Amino acid sequence: SYELTQPPSLSVSPGQTASITCSGVKLGDKYACWYQQKPGQSPVLVIYQNNKRPSGIPERFSGSNSGNTATLTISGTQAMDEADYYCQAWDSSTVVFGGGTKVTVL
Amino acid sequence: QVQLVESGGGVVQPGRSLRLSCAASGFIFNSYGMHWVRQAPGKGLEWVAVISHDGSSKYYADSVKGRFTISRDNSKNTVYLQMNSLRAEDTAVYYCAKLPLLYCSSTSCYIDYWGQGTLVTVSS
Repeated sequence: SYELTQPPSLSVSPGQTASITCSGVKLGDKYACWYQQKPGQSPVLVIYQNNKRPSGIPERFSGSNSGNTATLTISGTQAMDEADYYCQAWDSSTVVFGGGTKVTVL
Repeated sequence: QVQLVESGGGVVQPGRSLRLSCAASGFIFNSYGMHWVRQAPGKGLEWVAVISHDGSSKYYADSVKGRFTISRDNSKNTVYLQMNSLRAEDTAVYYCAKLPLLYCSSTSCYIDYWGQGTLVTVSS
């Protein structure tokens, strides 16, 4: 079965750039998306189809996908961006989530 | 605005059954596919199942195939998850979630809205 791998955690200083990676075999041949989940809340879509932002998502969130790696980039990270982030793809009629990355802003 | 309200969660013994419901509003329900996704306590997201806008296509995660059934009633704007032969490892918050399309394409199947979730605890 297809697997997506994310680093478990990432620390970033306020105002700096956070880059979260998601690795999978030939992931660049698929569309990747990203969800943000804050404690006690439901996930929220922040990037879809590799690099598109839903309405209401700040411009500091961007995405890319090439080769075996998709990347979510948060530019000018703010304290409110502290959350778990999950990548997701669709493979062989199965939705696959990455294991999640906990982003700490300190 | 899109609203997805899950119900039917609770405590159930191993081997028993439970049916979850998700009432949808704020969009044309019969024009969109729907997912169920779960999250065990302190763990990551795990996809469970997806159903097309008209119920004609369904796919399941291997971990629930043969035990869980996804269905929908477009006259009631509701999607269901029938869970049989429940196991301790099925303990999780179950989220109902909406696709942005009729169904998944060959390259993309994502979620644009999530419900608040309902907790299912499988324990004797």
